[in-house]
Amino acid sequence: KQEVTQIPAALSVPEGENLVLNCSFTDSAIYNLQWFRQDPGKGLTSLLLIQSSQREQTSGRLNASLDKSSGRSTLYIAASQPGDSATYLCAVKGSSNTGKLIFGQGTTLQVKP
Amino acid sequence: GAGVSQSPSNKVTEKGKDVELRCDPISGHTALYWYRQSLGQGLEFLIYFQGNSAPDKSGLPSDRFSAERTGGSVSTLTIQRTQQEDSAVYLCASSFQGTSPSYEQYFGPGTRLTVT
Repeated sequence: KQEVTQIPAALSVPEGENLVLNCSFTDSAIYNLQWFRQDPGKGLTSLLLIQSSQREQTSGRLNASLDKSSGRSTLYIAASQPGDSATYLCAVKGSSNTGKLIFGQGTTLQVKP
Repeated sequence: GAGVSQSPSNKVTEKGKDVELRCDPISGHTALYWYRQSLGQGLEFLIYFQGNSAPDKSGLPSDRFSAERTGGSVSTLTIQRTQQEDSAVYLCASSFQGTSPSYEQYFGPGTRLTVT
């Protein structure tokens, strides 16, 4: 059974710092991995999707990497801003015949001005 | 363009009543998903539609839960005889296809269900 873990559960950093959020999964046979952010009381906003054949994806100040063999993904945020404060969730899709995403518990990030 | 929309945004119901939650996916998206988010359980998958059929219903927690999708568009999640443990935020998502690895899932704002 696929399990997704995110460490740390919470993180507080000063504005301008570069930071890394971690996601690990137990079954390396994934189809893709998606990173989301969730603001309090809101739905999920998709940040990046990495297909199983890819190593990384970039969007603006965000860079996500994937190492299937070790069951790890990282989300790198450069030059953090207070507006980056949110909960970040990673989710894996295990196969092509189901749309199911399996989510980690999330990392709650606070960026202090 | 318009994103995924859900209604109602909030629903308070008494234990034992039935509720219907609605999801309107992004136009052109053939795949639709329901998830549930609660404090103790995190985000859990409920059901996946490809067109009007549901090839994966494995996350529905009991037979009190059902969902349908008509016309390959709008979906309704129905919870019968609601219980307090059904209180959660119900999130809907859609994507171009469910079977491709390259399509992201886009989420709606959710329906917060409170069972009193």
